[in-house]
Amino acid sequence: GENVEQHPSTLSVQEGDSAVIKCTYSDSASNYFPWYKQELGKRPQLIIDIRSNVGEKKDQRIAVTLNKTAKHFSLHITETQPEDSAVYFCAALSHTGGFKTIFGAGTRLFVKA
Amino acid sequence: GAVVSQHPSWVICKSGTSVKIECRSLDFQATTMFWYRQFPKQSLMLMATSNEGSKATYEQGVEKDKFLINHASLTLSTLTVTSAHPEDSSFYICSATLAGHQETQYFGPGTRLLVL
Repeated sequence: GENVEQHPSTLSVQEGDSAVIKCTYSDSASNYFPWYKQELGKRPQLIIDIRSNVGEKKDQRIAVTLNKTAKHFSLHITETQPEDSAVYFCAALSHTGGFKTIFGAGTRLFVKA
Repeated sequence: GAVVSQHPSWVICKSGTSVKIECRSLDFQATTMFWYRQFPKQSLMLMATSNEGSKATYEQGVEKDKFLINHASLTLSTLTVTSAHPEDSSFYICSATLAGHQETQYFGPGTRLLVL
């Protein structure tokens, strides 16, 4: 079936450093790639997304890049803060067998003060 | 706008009983709702896609007779875990999308189920 792989599973950075999370997807028809932040026991929150007709998108300290040829997309968080600590999920909207969102395994980000 | 609620937020039940979880779109009509299950420290796994007025589409490996989904109106979908067992203990999250906007999912707050 369709798959989204995400790395690393855990990421620990010092406050102020950058954090990068990488994902690959398998469905070549996917054209929408959201990123979610989930705090413990809470619902996922959309933090940024990118569509396949765009290579890069930035929103303040968060940026996402997409390489559609290689089926890679990445999340970049700059100037990390302790409140950025959470689990981050990449996802891809699959069109195979109907519209459904396939999630990566998640990255647990720790930002040390 | 675009608020999704779930009820109950948490439930504890005995093994063998059935549990119903409700997912409501409060301020919009949701043509499609999704049900996910999330085990501790794991990702969201799609269980089924629910369209109003039609049968749900279940993902491979999800037993449709155990996880009954009803989407009787454009604002309500229910998931019933029948004959729950301890291995069904999990965090169940629903999401809803607007017609013509399949990209944007509005997530409910989740329901934590503990089966003793």
